[in-house]
Amino acid sequence: QVQLQESGPGLVKPSQTLSLTCTVSGGSINDSTYYWTWIRRPAGKGLEWIGRIYNSGRTKYNPSLQSRLTISVDTSKNQFSLNLDSVTAADTAVYYCARDFVRDTNRFDPWGQGTMVTVAS
Amino acid sequence: QSVVTQPPSASGTPGQRVTISCSGSSSNIGSNYVYWYQHLPGTAPKLLIYRNNQRPSGVPDRFSGSKSGTSASLAISGLRSDDEADYYCAVWDFSLNGPVFGGGTKLTVL
Repeated sequence: QVQLQESGPGLVKPSQTLSLTCTVSGGSINDSTYYWTWIRRPAGKGLEWIGRIYNSGRTKYNPSLQSRLTISVDTSKNQFSLNLDSVTAADTAVYYCARDFVRDTNRFDPWGQGTMVTVAS
Repeated sequence: QSVVTQPPSASGTPGQRVTISCSGSSSNIGSNYVYWYQHLPGTAPKLLIYRNNQRPSGVPDRFSGSKSGTSASLAISGLRSDDEADYYCAVWDFSLNGPVFGGGTKLTVL
């Protein structure tokens, strides 16, 4: 059974870079059936799709974040990562990683437990 | 403000049937499959419905999905106290060229 786990700092200063990693266990990130996705939930707001990556490194980003966003994959470690530059308080959120189906996109299953990231000085 | 609209809240009593709507346009719901997620704060969101009306294994048949035109609905029958959660629809949007979530509906079991 595939499981995902987010990790990274819980506090980031404004204007700095938010960096998170998602570790996949119980399955291979090289599986061509899936995309690997980041989603966030700001406090008091709904879910927001951030972006996704395929095992080849091909990415797709939310246009509203694209200029600040980099998602990368490390197949040797079965991990994928998120870097969000120039963060502000608006980036404070619970960040989730999830698996998405290539032939059934938007089918996010499973999800990680989520990690809270606060942007504050 | 999401391009896909859900009511912010819904409620029902135990045993009752409730429905949650998800309203969009031809560039999203009208052209693509709709997915539904259940989210209890502090836990991982859970896939409830995929491809408009399909249930993953392990999801009770009390949960059902439907779609008509540019709107979709999630129905929960035999409401239970542990159904109290936030519910989100998700759909691909051609204009944004990516997935969008509805704003979420907070379900309260009275």
